[in-house]
Amino acid sequence: EIVVTQFPATLSVSPGETATLSCGASQSVRNNVAWYQQKPGQAPRLLIYGASTRATGIPARFSGSGSGTEFTLTISSLQSEDFAVYYCQQYDDWPALTFGGGTKVEI
Amino acid sequence: QAQLVQSGGEVKKPGASVKVACKASGYIFNIYGISWVRQAPGQGLEWMGWISAYNGDTRYAQKFQGRVTVTTDTSTSTAYMELRSLRFDDTATYYCTRAGDALDYWGQGTPVTVSS
Repeated sequence: EIVVTQFPATLSVSPGETATLSCGASQSVRNNVAWYQQKPGQAPRLLIYGASTRATGIPARFSGSGSGTEFTLTISSLQSEDFAVYYCQQYDDWPALTFGGGTKVEI
Repeated sequence: QAQLVQSGGEVKKPGASVKVACKASGYIFNIYGISWVRQAPGQGLEWMGWISAYNGDTRYAQKFQGRVTVTTDTSTSTAYMELRSLRFDDTATYYCTRAGDALDYWGQGTPVTVSS
C-alpha cells in the first residue's frame, strides 16, 4: 500500500497570508495526486487533481504542484472561508486510494 | 450537475450488518465508478472500496476484505455498501463518491453508530 504523509498537521496563518501544505508519498505516484478541502460537518470537496489542475469552480488562489513523491498545495491570500482541513490523496494505484492524515489550516 | 444522495443514519449493535444506499443523478451512472470512503469521529478519510458501475468490477481495501461488499443497481442508478460484523470502531460517517480519477462528487454522508 502506498503511504501518504501530510505535514504539518496544523498550520496557523492569518487572513491574507499564503499557506503552503506539503504531502509525500512512500513511492512515486507520478502526478496522480488530488487535494480536498473539508469544513466541519461537511463532505470533502475536490480542489485539485492531477497534482496541479483545479477542479471546476475552484478559485485561482488554490494551486498545486509536484510530481513523483513530493507535492504541495498553496493557498494564496487566505480568506476566512479557507480555514478548514485539507487532505492529500494518491490515486496512482487506482482504483485503490490512500489519503494523508490531513492538515488543519487555522487562524 | 451530478448529485449523490445517501440513505439516513443508522444505529447498529456489534456483530450486525449495515447497508448504505447512494442514489446518483445528473450524470450517466455507468460511465463512472463509485468509491466508498469513511471517516471516524475526529479522524481522517479512509478508502474502503470501489465498484465499476459499467461492469460491476470491484476492488476493496485490504483492511475490509471479506467484511464489505459494494454493489450497484443500474436500473435505479443506486450504489450500495454493506459492512458486516460491525465493531465499535466502525462508528463513522460513510461517504459515497463518484470515482473518475479523483473523487469529484460526494454524497452528504451517512453516520453509522455501533453501540450496544
